Formats: sequence, C-alpha cells, structure tokens
Amino acid sequence: QVQLQQWGAGLLKPSETLSLTCAVYGGSFSDYYWMWIRQPPGKGLEWIGEISHSGSTNYNPSLKSRVTISGDTSKNQFSLKLNSATAADTAVYYCARGSGRGILDYWGQGTLVTVSS
Amino acid sequence: DIQMTQSPSSVSASVGDRVTITCRASQGISSWLAWYQQKPGKAPKLLIYAASSLQSGVPSRFSGSGSGTDFTLTISSLQPEDFATYYCQQANTFPLTFGGGTKVEIK
Repeated sequence: QVQLQQWGAGLLKPSETLSLTCAVYGGSFSDYYWMWIRQPPGKGLEWIGEISHSGSTNYNPSLKSRVTISGDTSKNQFSLKLNSATAADTAVYYCARGSGRGILDYWGQGTLVTVSS
Repeated sequence: DIQMTQSPSSVSASVGDRVTITCRASQGISSWLAWYQQKPGKAPKLLIYAASSLQSGVPSRFSGSGSGTDFTLTISSLQPEDFATYYCQQANTFPLTFGGGTKVEIK
C-alpha cells in the first residue's frame, strides 16, 4: 500500500522560506510524478508544481518565481521550498502522487502552514 | 490557465437521493478530467479519472461522464458517508487546475 508522509515547519514569519518534505512508502518512486498542492483555509485547491523521478519539474506560473521542488531518489523523498512567504501563503499543503496524466491518486496527510508575524 | 467552473456550489440532499454535479472547462480538455471527494480535515480522495473511469475501491454508485468542456459527476443513491465536498480537476494542460468545489450537505 502506497503511503505519503509529509512534515515541515508549521509557523513562519513573513519573508521566511516555507520548507516541506514528503516521503513515499510502499511503492516505486520511479514512473510517477510527485506533486505539491495547497488549500487556503476554507477555500479550494491550488496546484503548486511537480517533479518526475528523473528530476524534471513543472511549476504553476503564479508561484514559479518563488518555488523549488526537488527530489531524493535514494530516500524516496521530495521537497517543496517556497521563499519570501506572506500571509497569502497560509494554507494546508499536500503532497501527492501523479499517476498517469495529472491524476493524483495518493495524497499525504496535509500540513497546515501559517505565515504570521 | 484553464478555468474550471463547478455547479452548484452546494446542494442539500437526503440519503437515497440521486445527486448530479457539473463541471465546465473554459476550453476543451478532451477527457482529461478527474473528480475528488474531500471530507473535513482530510486530504482529497480520487474518485474518477479520465472523465468516466472509476478508481479502484470506489463504490459503483459514483459515475462520471462528459468530454470536451462539459462534465458530470453522479451519485446514484446518496449514502451517509458521501456528505463531503467534491472537486473536479483538469489534467489536459499545465498548470493543473481545480474547480471551486461542490459541498453536498444533509437535507
């Protein structure tokens, strides 16, 4: 059974860098895309970006200038960094597996990240 | 970006009712559409992919249809565990985008 377990700092000050990591258990890291999605409190879902097992990335243009997604195939982990955080980045952040074309079939448990002074 | 518009934004229904949710894309996306169910405090769960393919383990009362710009998620007989928020998502073009969600509430 595939499981995604994510962790990272839950409280940031404005201008700090958001950093989250997601570990993949019970399945192959290859042949899939690994994604980050976020959801502001009480609102809908926003796709942040993805990384393939080979390291190629795609980002949402709305966040591209501030986002880096990286992967560590030796640990079956991938990470998200979002710099220059503001209150607008306050959200629950999810990692997910992209299976096939843009199909998110397994999700992490979510991490609430709050940006506040 | 492709805009995904869901309707209604909320629906009140009773156990046993048939519920239909629609999703419209701002441009054609072929059949590259998925549906997710989200319960409070939980991650979304994949229900339907490729517009009409049922994800493994999902009850057959859920079905999807459509292609191009107009899509539908149908719950044939609403069960107590189906009260949740449902999202559509297009997978045709980057960036991937989601609809605004439809909350299915108890009548």
